[in-house]
Amino acid sequence: DIQMTQSPSSLSASVGDRVTITCRASQSISSYSNWYQQKPGKAPKLLIYGASSLQSGVPSRFSGSGSGTDFTLTISSLQPEDCGTYYCQQAHSKPWTFGQGTKVEIK
Amino acid sequence: EVQLVQSGAEVKKPGESLKISCNGSGYSFSNYWIVWVRQVPGKGLEWVGLINPADSDTRYGPSFQGQVTVSADKSINTAYLQWSSLKASDTAIYYCARRLTAIRGFLDAFDIWGQGTLVTVSS
Repeated sequence: DIQMTQSPSSLSASVGDRVTITCRASQSISSYSNWYQQKPGKAPKLLIYGASSLQSGVPSRFSGSGSGTDFTLTISSLQPEDCGTYYCQQAHSKPWTFGQGTKVEIK
Repeated sequence: EVQLVQSGAEVKKPGESLKISCNGSGYSFSNYWIVWVRQVPGKGLEWVGLINPADSDTRYGPSFQGQVTVSADKSINTAYLQWSSLKASDTAIYYCARRLTAIRGFLDAFDIWGQGTLVTVSS
C-alpha cells in the first residue's frame, strides 16, 4: 500500500497568514494527489484534484502543487472559515489511501 | 442539485447484521462509481470499497475484503454497504461519495459526499 504522510499534524495561524501543508507519498504517484477539507461534524469536501487543479466553487486562495512523491496545499491568505482538518489522498493505485490529517486552527 | 443522501444512524449489537444506504439524485447515477469511506470518530479516513452501479463491478480495500459487502440497485439510484456480523470495531461514521474521473489528465477524486451514517456497535 502507498503511505501518505502529512506534516504538520496541526497548526495555528492568524487570519491573513499564508499556510502550507505538505504530503509525502511512500512511492511515486505522478500527479494523482487530491486534497480535502473536513469541518467538525461534516463530510469531507474536495478542494484540489490532480495535484494542482482547483475544484469548481473552491476559493482561489487554495492552491496545490507537486508531483511524484511530494505535494503541497497552500492557503494564500487564511480566513476564519478555513479552520478544519485537511487530508491528502492518493488515487494512483488501490487501495486508495489518505494522509493522517492536518488540523488548522485560527489564532 | 447533485447530492447523495445516506440512511440514518444505527445502533446494533455485536453479531447483528446491517445494511446502510446511499441514494443519489441530480445526476445520472449509473455513470459514476460510488465509493465508501470509513472514519472512526476523531480519526482519519479509510477507503472501504467501491462499486460501478451500471454493472455492480466492485472493489474492496484489503482491510475490508470479506468483512463487508458493497452493492447497488441502479433502478432506484441507491448503493449499499452491509455487514453480516457486526463487531465493536466496526463502530464508525461511513460516508459514500461519488468518484469523478476523466480519460485524460489526473482526475480521479471524490467530488460529492453523503452526510455520513454513524454506526455504533455495542453490547
